[in-house]
Amino acid sequence: NAGVTQTPKFQVLKTGQSMTLQCAQDMNHNSMYWYRQDPGMGLRLIYYSASEGTTDKGEVPNGYNVSRLNKREFSLRLESAAPSQTSVYFCASSFRTSGGGYNEQFFGPGTRLTVL
Amino acid sequence: AQSVTQLGSHVSVSEGALVLLRCNYSSSVPPYLFWYVQYPNQGLQLLLKYTSAATLVKGINGFEAEFKKSETSFHLTKPSAHMSDAAEYFCAVKGSNYKLTFGKGTLLTVNP
Repeated sequence: NAGVTQTPKFQVLKTGQSMTLQCAQDMNHNSMYWYRQDPGMGLRLIYYSASEGTTDKGEVPNGYNVSRLNKREFSLRLESAAPSQTSVYFCASSFRTSGGGYNEQFFGPGTRLTVL
Repeated sequence: AQSVTQLGSHVSVSEGALVLLRCNYSSSVPPYLFWYVQYPNQGLQLLLKYTSAATLVKGINGFEAEFKKSETSFHLTKPSAHMSDAAEYFCAVKGSNYKLTFGKGTLLTVNP
């Protein structure tokens, strides 16, 4: 199993350009997440998808959109990139149970994005 | 709302010394708590998790953490540091709707 995969690994954009970050998981997880990581800030949740067909805003959603394409894939789109969006982006997935338990999130390797 | 505070953004130890990374949480419900490790230029990897079973949780690579409800703490320890333990460590607590809230991280340096 590949786990959680992300593409691309690196990207440089100019201010105002758009791009989509791709994420896929092969663990049959129902929940997927997008985070950004900035120095000294930890990980902050951008958007999440509790199950196929649903998406919700996280802590820092402004400037981003998401699509839960199917159970495996969850993409993050920057419509008009800004220098403040320079960051490392991580996708994660987990299996959400109905019995009140909680399972850990599995993370992809990240995408390093620079906006000039 | 749930929150996590990691005391010390940078901890430096000598090889063979005790590792202690501190985490305090705030939660209105019995918490699910996690420690993740991030090696340079990699994603996050689960070290261990507390899910209301045993209060002393053993993880990978010789790490363990003790849940102390009275102190709202979940500190991570390892008896003897190895050079390969150098990484950034994140404590996290389950929040509403199956989200995780992360601390800001602690960078562990291991000196030879």
